[in-house]
Formats: sequence, C-alpha cells, structure tokens
Amino acid sequence: EPEVTQTPSHQVTQMGQEVILRCVPISNHLYFYWYRQILGQKVEFLVSFYNNEISEKSEIFDDQFSVERPDGSNFTLKIRSTKLEDSAMYFCASSGRTGRLNTEAFFGQGTRLTVV
Amino acid sequence: AQSVTQPDIHITVSEGASLELRCNYSYGATPYLFWYVQSPGQGLQLLLKYFSGDTLVQGIKGFEAEFKRSQSSFNLRKPSVHWSDAAEYFCAVDYGGSQGNLIFGKGTKLSVKP
Repeated sequence: EPEVTQTPSHQVTQMGQEVILRCVPISNHLYFYWYRQILGQKVEFLVSFYNNEISEKSEIFDDQFSVERPDGSNFTLKIRSTKLEDSAMYFCASSGRTGRLNTEAFFGQGTRLTVV
Repeated sequence: AQSVTQPDIHITVSEGASLELRCNYSYGATPYLFWYVQSPGQGLQLLLKYFSGDTLVQGIKGFEAEFKRSQSSFNLRKPSVHWSDAAEYFCAVDYGGSQGNLIFGKGTKLSVKP
C-alpha cells in the first residue's frame, strides 16, 4: 500500500540553526501539506502546496518557514532559524484530489523536531 | 471562525463496551468531515470520512460515524471496543476554502480497561 514517508523520524537541533524536514508523498498525488503538533496540543495546518507553489498557508507559517519540491518525489519543509517553540511533531500529508470530491489526506509518520 | 470541538479530552472504557467520541463543528454549510486515529509514536490514520449522501458512514476497524446536520456533529462510534483501539482520536473538518486545509479538534485520548 502506498504511503507517505518522512525522514528523519527524530531531529534534534540547536536554537538558531536551520533544519530541513523531508517527505516523500504518494507518487501520483498532486497536493502536499505540512502540519505540526506541539506536544499535548492539536494538529495544526501549516501550508499546502500545489503545482509547484504554495496554495495556502496559516499564520504559523511565517518567513522562517519555506517549502520546496526540489525534484519529482521529495517535498521539504525548511525552518531557517529554529526557535524553542518550533519543537513539535511535523506531519507531511498528500492527497490526490483532482476536484472537490477527493479531499482525503494521507499522513506520514511524522518527524519529531526538538530544538535545544 | 471555523472550529472543531472535541469536548472529551480523555475517555476510559472497558474492553467490549461500546464507545462514542463526540465532535462538533462550527460552520454554516456542510463541510467534509473526517476521523483520524493516532497510535503512540505513529502518524495519523484515516478511519472514515463523510462527503455527502448517507449520513451514517462506515470506516475501518469496525468504526462508524453519524453526521447530524441539526446538531453540527459527527460522532464516532464503535459497538465493542478492543484493547488495540487505545489511541488518540482526532476529528477533522475541511471547510472547503482551500485544497485540503484540514482543521483538527484537540483530540480525545481513549484508554481501554481489560
């Protein structure tokens, strides 16, 4: 069964450092997303990406964040200068919707980011 | 603002007992509705979804959910809980304003007593 793959599963970084989280979406999907879940809190939408550009972003997704699809398979989330409050589980998701009907998103296992 | 409410933070049920997890949303029109499950250390797995049509939807692992427009609710049910159902359950809503921007509830943690 196709799945969304995220690497690494856990990343520890020092405050102020840049970090890149990687995701391989399901191969025939067209829409890609990043969500985060701070420990003990709900899952929050960060950004959606379609046709090589951001289609929507939340207010969490400020200038410190960027996303990229550098090749045909990977989808990355970059945090330029990490802060302690960026510590969270980051989930990548993809969906194959071609219209309004297919909004089912498939999620990866997540990357736990710890900023120290 | 649109929101999703899961009023129960933590529920404990005995194995074999029935289960109902509550979810309410705020929105004038009918959104698309989802339930996801997150086992410890795992990602989010889709249990079931409602787009339109029959308001009682069946999902995986014996779960079902019923959409009630009058109550703006989409409660998740299972007639007989198994120990392996212990996990966190998230209700999510797509309000249709974008391409797959899901808004999640805060989650309900389910514990199962032997």
